[in-house]
Amino acid sequence: ILNVEQSPQSLHVQEGDSTNFTCSFPSSNFYALHWYRWETAKSPEALFVMTLNGDEKKKGRISATLNTKEGYSYLYIKGSQPEDSATYLCARIYGSSNTGKLIFGQGTTLQVKP
Amino acid sequence: DTAVSQTPKYLVTQMGNDKSIKCEQNLGHDTMYWYKQDSKKFLKIMFSYNNKELIINETVPNRFSPKSPDKAHLNLHINSLELGDSAVYFCASRQRDSGRGYTFGSGTRLTVV
Repeated sequence: ILNVEQSPQSLHVQEGDSTNFTCSFPSSNFYALHWYRWETAKSPEALFVMTLNGDEKKKGRISATLNTKEGYSYLYIKGSQPEDSATYLCARIYGSSNTGKLIFGQGTTLQVKP
Repeated sequence: DTAVSQTPKYLVTQMGNDKSIKCEQNLGHDTMYWYKQDSKKFLKIMFSYNNKELIINETVPNRFSPKSPDKAHLNLHINSLELGDSAVYFCASRQRDSGRGYTFGSGTRLTVV
């Protein structure tokens, strides 16, 4: 089954709080995991592409980790700001690099209150 | 300069009509995709082309037909539109084996009345 699960579905935090969300996926035949940020009325924007077990990636206050053996990835936001409010999508590649499909989770919607 | 551009942004049409959505990317990517955002806001893969060759064709009605005249363009033609086709359709592109994520267009909101 091609499935990617994200939790929680939505999250409300205060400005300055740190937060994290989870992406889980079948670990067999893993190729790559993507994280995207999707602001309202805009298009999804790539944050990270992760391929190796134990990968850690960072972009400013946002970071992500990957565990391919147990099939999960965490996204962390340190010191959330109102501009971090968006839906965060994770997606797993099923198949090969050449012909693989990027299958998305349902997203975690983050609302940061000033 | 828009990297992945879709036209039109909004499309309202009657049931039974045939319509097309165009997508162009100026990034030099070799692979392009069509995704449909369903009622639960999931992004679902529909088609993918690599250098004008169809490589992914999900189970979608055959009323949907992608056409790629060159690697910078991937258009989506829909015949005999039905109410259930109403959705937001996203085009995306990437360079295979670049290690980078997909670049998405801004979406086309199709409403069938």
